[in-house]
Amino acid sequence: NAGVTQTPKFRVLKTGQSMTLLCAQDMNHEYMYWYRQDPGMGLRLIHYSVGEGTTAKGEVPDGYNVSRLKKQNFLLGLESAAPSQTSVYFCASIKGAGLVQYFGPGTRLTVT
Amino acid sequence: GIQVEQSPPDLILQEGANSTLRCNFSDSVNNLQWFHQNPWGQLINLFYIPSGTKQNGRLSATTVATERYSLLYISSSQTTDSGVYFCAGNTGGFKTIFGAGTRLFVKA
Repeated sequence: NAGVTQTPKFRVLKTGQSMTLLCAQDMNHEYMYWYRQDPGMGLRLIHYSVGEGTTAKGEVPDGYNVSRLKKQNFLLGLESAAPSQTSVYFCASIKGAGLVQYFGPGTRLTVT
Repeated sequence: GIQVEQSPPDLILQEGANSTLRCNFSDSVNNLQWFHQNPWGQLINLFYIPSGTKQNGRLSATTVATERYSLLYISSSQTTDSGVYFCAGNTGGFKTIFGAGTRLFVKA
């Protein structure tokens, strides 16, 4: 099993550009999450999904959209990137409520 | 919202030393977990410990849910233990809240 994978690993955007981050898991997990991690801080939840076709807002959802069209994939979109969105983005998944979270390797995004 | 406080924020140890990291929650949480983020950024789950005590090799964790805190013990520390340790919990539903982390550096 590959576990949780993220694409791309690195990206540089200019202000106003758009992009989509892909998270994929091959563990048949129900729940998937997108977090951002800024220097010196813990992870903050952007959006999450409790199943295919469902999404919900986390702590810091503004400026991001998500979709979960397939159970194994969770996409994070930035429609108009801003420098404040420069961060490392992590995806995670869990099989069910109350179980261990598995994280992807992260995507380092810089917005200039 | 719920606040997660971790202490100490930074810790430097000599290889072989023991340490205790603490995580306090401002309100009751479910599904408390400890994670290690290595120097390359990878996040690894160490313990899922909503209550009680668990041990895994040189690491152990204790959660006292009624008093809203959890402790992570590292014994006989090694340089490979360096990194950032996070605790996290759910506040009901599926939203997970992370602490700011404890940055550990173990000197050879």
